[in-house]
Amino acid sequence: NFMLTQPHSVSESPGKTVIISCTRSSGSIDSNYVQWYQQRPGSSPTTVIYEDDQRPSGVPDRFSGSIDSSSNSASLTISGLKTEDAADYYCQSYDSSIPSVVFGGGTKLTVL
Amino acid sequence: QVQLVESGGRVVQPGESLRLSCAGSGFTFSNYPLHWVRQAPGKGLEWVAVISSDGTNKYYTLSAKGRFSISRDNSKNTLYMELNRLTVDDTATYYCAKEGWGEGGYDLWGQGTMVTVSS
Repeated sequence: NFMLTQPHSVSESPGKTVIISCTRSSGSIDSNYVQWYQQRPGSSPTTVIYEDDQRPSGVPDRFSGSIDSSSNSASLTISGLKTEDAADYYCQSYDSSIPSVVFGGGTKLTVL
Repeated sequence: QVQLVESGGRVVQPGESLRLSCAGSGFTFSNYPLHWVRQAPGKGLEWVAVISSDGTNKYYTLSAKGRFSISRDNSKNTLYMELNRLTVDDTATYYCAKEGWGEGGYDLWGQGTMVTVSS
């Protein structure tokens, strides 16, 4: 099985762009889809990206996802940051060998 | 209204058992695999278990195997999880989640139910 590693925290100013990485420890990042979830304090998670780079309806196009095979990682990019984007973000993928679902440790985004 | 609503969480002592429920509405419940995901206070998300749409296939995280049991009643649009031999490490908010996009991609989460294991 594998792990997904995210930075513990990132911070950026309103209007700027932030990129949150998610590195897979073993196996290819493109073996299984990656999802990204946003969780605001006191709330349940919601999906911002599914299947690597797809946005659910209602999610602004400021949110985008990508996969980089060379670094074996996925990335969530949030452009034109707003204070409301401040939240914890989790990447998630699937371990076909077990099978099981794997979450990254989460990244706390601060917008100030 | 498309939603999942969990219930059953409470304070229990170590070694006790508990059954959580998750009622779905607004979608064809029997078409989708369903998962339990938990989150300890101040910690990240941890996948716990999954059950296939017809209930025949079930998989668990290592810490849950042999202690937790996931089940569903599609006639009642309800997902369950039986938690046995609880320890303080099981203290968490337990979410049910609907797999809308395959490979654990969740398109719907419940509001969560809190389980506290304490002596």
